[in-house]
Amino acid sequence: QKEVEQNSGPLSVPEGAIASLNCTYSDRGSQSFFWYRQYSGKSPELIMSIYSNGDKEDGRFTAQLNKASQYVSLLIRDSQPSDSATYLCAVGINQAGTALIFGKGTTLSVSS
Amino acid sequence: DAGVIQSPRHEVTEMGQEVTLRCKPISGHNSLFWYRQTMMRGLELLIYFNNNVPIDDSGMPEDRFSAKMPNASFSTLKIQPSEPRDSAVYFCASRRGPSGNTIYFGEGSWLTVV
Repeated sequence: QKEVEQNSGPLSVPEGAIASLNCTYSDRGSQSFFWYRQYSGKSPELIMSIYSNGDKEDGRFTAQLNKASQYVSLLIRDSQPSDSATYLCAVGINQAGTALIFGKGTTLSVSS
Repeated sequence: DAGVIQSPRHEVTEMGQEVTLRCKPISGHNSLFWYRQTMMRGLELLIYFNNNVPIDDSGMPEDRFSAKMPNASFSTLKIQPSEPRDSAVYFCASRRGPSGNTIYFGEGSWLTVV
């Protein structure tokens, strides 16, 4: 069974620090990877997608992918209290990436 | 453009009753997904459709659950009979194209079965 694993947290960081969120996946054939953010009581919203090994940066966010290690991470620089949320790692479940399987999420708390 | 629209937003029902959740995907999106979210199990994929055709329903927990997509702008998820363990948030999501693009979620239907 295809699985996506995340540390549930909570991960607590002070304002301005770097938050590091990690994810591993079981399906070696996966080709597409996503990070979603979910505020309490709200629906998930996409932060970043990544398809190739290496780093992808978008503002304060950097996604990192290592397919050989089946590992995806998300770095949030200069963390803000508004970043406090649950971060969901999602993986495309076949070569076509037709649907996404989600991890259970990591709860991030940024203190001011 | 309007996002994914789900109804009802909240429903409380008694065990044994039929529950029907409704979803209108974003116009022009041809892939539609039903997910269920609980604290214990996280966000689980129940079923997804491409061009109104069910592609994979292996996540549907049991025969009490059924989903249909009669046209490109409407889908239903039905639970009959409902049980307390079905209490969860049910999300509908849609995407333009079969893969790679962003999946957009609706606001969810919060179901409580008592």
